[in-house]
Amino acid sequence: AQTVTQSQPEMSVQEAETVTLSCTYDTSESNYYLFWYKQPPSRQMILVIRQEAYKQQNATENRFSVNFQKAAKSFSLKISDSQLGDTAMYFCAFMKHNSGNTPLVFGKGTRLSVIA
Amino acid sequence: ETGVTQTPRHLVMGMTNKKSLKCEQHLGHNAMYWYKQSAKKPLELMFVYSLEERVENNSVPSRFSPECPNSSHLFLHLHTLQPEDSALYLCASSQSGTDTQYFGPGTRLTVL
Repeated sequence: AQTVTQSQPEMSVQEAETVTLSCTYDTSESNYYLFWYKQPPSRQMILVIRQEAYKQQNATENRFSVNFQKAAKSFSLKISDSQLGDTAMYFCAFMKHNSGNTPLVFGKGTRLSVIA
Repeated sequence: ETGVTQTPRHLVMGMTNKKSLKCEQHLGHNAMYWYKQSAKKPLELMFVYSLEERVENNSVPSRFSPECPNSSHLFLHLHTLQPEDSALYLCASSQSGTDTQYFGPGTRLTVL
């Protein structure tokens, strides 16, 4: 079975600064996907970024980027130029590669507070 | 984000009540999911439906009964729940053959 570990229950960052959220996972699969989801106080789970395990290049979406280390089974999220709207719970998630309808396995989350 | 909607947003029920949670997706997807989010625990998968057939039941007690009448709608029927069932219930959808799931806003359930 796959597991996802987020070792930082809470973090804070000053507005405009950079913050990195950690995630490690355990799997015997060779092909899979990794995700970061954001859940603001409104509770809507929003996809931030995704990474395909067979791609060596780290995914980037505007201010969000990942550091994917497949051998170390590490998948950290870097948020640059942090904004107040980035305040949320951030969940790292794993999905086996399949033809579809494969469930996500989530970590416990990191609560990020962006301070003005 | 209105691709996946859930009603009601909040629900308080007694242990002897019967209620239903509704999820609707407007994204043309053919797979739908129920997840449970409890305090201080990771999101847990409950059920997966693909093309209106249940493809996974993650050892969920029978007091939770899902229903998928068509590819756009998913229900979770609740009866004789326990206080420990209080949680945020999230619905998600995806298109088979793709990997990204899109979530609804959730129903906050409180069982008294």
